[in-house]
Amino acid sequence: SQKIEQNSEALNIQEGKTATLTCNYTNYSPAYLQWYRQDPGRGPVFLLLIRENEKEKRKERLKVTFDTTLKQSLFHITASQPADSATYLCALNTGGFKTIFGAGTRLFVKA
Amino acid sequence: EPEVTQTPSHQVTQMGQEVILRCVPISNHLYFYWYRQILGQKVEFLVSFYNNEISEKSEIFDDQFSVERPDGSNFTLKIRSTKLEDSAMYFCASRDREDATNEKLFFGSGTQLSVL
Repeated sequence: SQKIEQNSEALNIQEGKTATLTCNYTNYSPAYLQWYRQDPGRGPVFLLLIRENEKEKRKERLKVTFDTTLKQSLFHITASQPADSATYLCALNTGGFKTIFGAGTRLFVKA
Repeated sequence: EPEVTQTPSHQVTQMGQEVILRCVPISNHLYFYWYRQILGQKVEFLVSFYNNEISEKSEIFDDQFSVERPDGSNFTLKIRSTKLEDSAMYFCASRDREDATNEKLFFGSGTQLSVL
């Protein structure tokens, strides 16, 4: 079955630095991959989508890369701020009406 | 910005009781979903719904679960006989349409279900 792996350990970084989060997947070749943000007690909020024919996508301070050979996506937040502290989820559509999520990586940005 | 609305925000029930979780998806959306998240765990897919029928469901979504769109605006999840392990945050989500520019899901704030 399809599997998504994200670094389960929390990532602690200093304000102003770049945060890099990793998403690896197996047993699947998705047409696109999504990243969501989830704050405690809240639903996930969509951030970015990248397609299999795109190497990189940017939105403001966010950047996503997609390597279909490595089956990996990297999510970068540049010039990080304490307000960026949250859990970031990687998500794949499995080809039909089902989108599955990774367990997420918690990011803490210290002032 | 339009949003997905879920009620109630918290629901406490006794084991074996039936519960109905309610959602109002974004008005022009066509695809509807339920997910759940047990405390400290990942967001898990339960079911997707399109054109008044289930499109796909997970192994979690057994005979105790059902979904319904009783009118043009509400989307409900029913659990017939709740178990302790059904305790979780349940999220409703909706999506615009099946085209190459609208794959993103819009989530509600969730209903925290506690089964005692």
